[in-house]
Amino acid sequence: GIQVEQSPPDLILQEGANSTLRCNFSDSVNNLQWFHQNPWGQLINLFYIPSGTKQNGRLSATTVATERYSLLYISSSQTTDSGVYFCAVVVSGGYNKLIFGAGTRLAVHP
Amino acid sequence: DSGVTQTPKHLITATGQRVTLRCSPRSGDLSVYWYQQSLDQGLQFLIQYYNGEERAKGNILERFSAQQFPDLHSELNLSSLELGDSALYFCASSVGDSGSAQYFGPGTRLTVL
Repeated sequence: GIQVEQSPPDLILQEGANSTLRCNFSDSVNNLQWFHQNPWGQLINLFYIPSGTKQNGRLSATTVATERYSLLYISSSQTTDSGVYFCAVVVSGGYNKLIFGAGTRLAVHP
Repeated sequence: DSGVTQTPKHLITATGQRVTLRCSPRSGDLSVYWYQQSLDQGLQFLIQYYNGEERAKGNILERFSAQQFPDLHSELNLSSLELGDSALYFCASSVGDSGSAQYFGPGTRLTVL
């Protein structure tokens, strides 16, 4: 089956720093989503981005489907950005089930 | 707030018991999905329903079953519970059965003692 690999696995930042999280996938995908799981366990939908670039405030994401990767940019990080960031994909030609990566655990310190 | 609701938030029960988790999708969404998040397996897809019909199955145990009702809410039934079933169970919904974003509920944290 498809492999979804996220890097880095862990990231520690000072408040105000910028970061880039990466998601590589091993097969063609119909759908790619980025989620933030906060310390209370909630999964928050950040982006639905099967291709192209989107921005939402301090966050932006780019997916290059032909090269099978996606990037999540966090600028001017805040302590509330702490948590785990997941990339999830739907395989082309398959059902609409999301296959999740293992996540990047982000800790932002004041 | 994603608009997907799940009850209960927390559930503590004993091995061998049976529990029911409930999910209401966002208004207008026809698809409901169930996912399990455990420490050793990560986030895994269990099952999808679209407009009342089962659409896709993932790594769902035979002890687990689900259904989607005419009002589109869904229930996940877990029976003969084992310690290893302790996990966070998420429900998600989407407009269609493919090619649309999935929105997740707050989850039900199940603890089996």
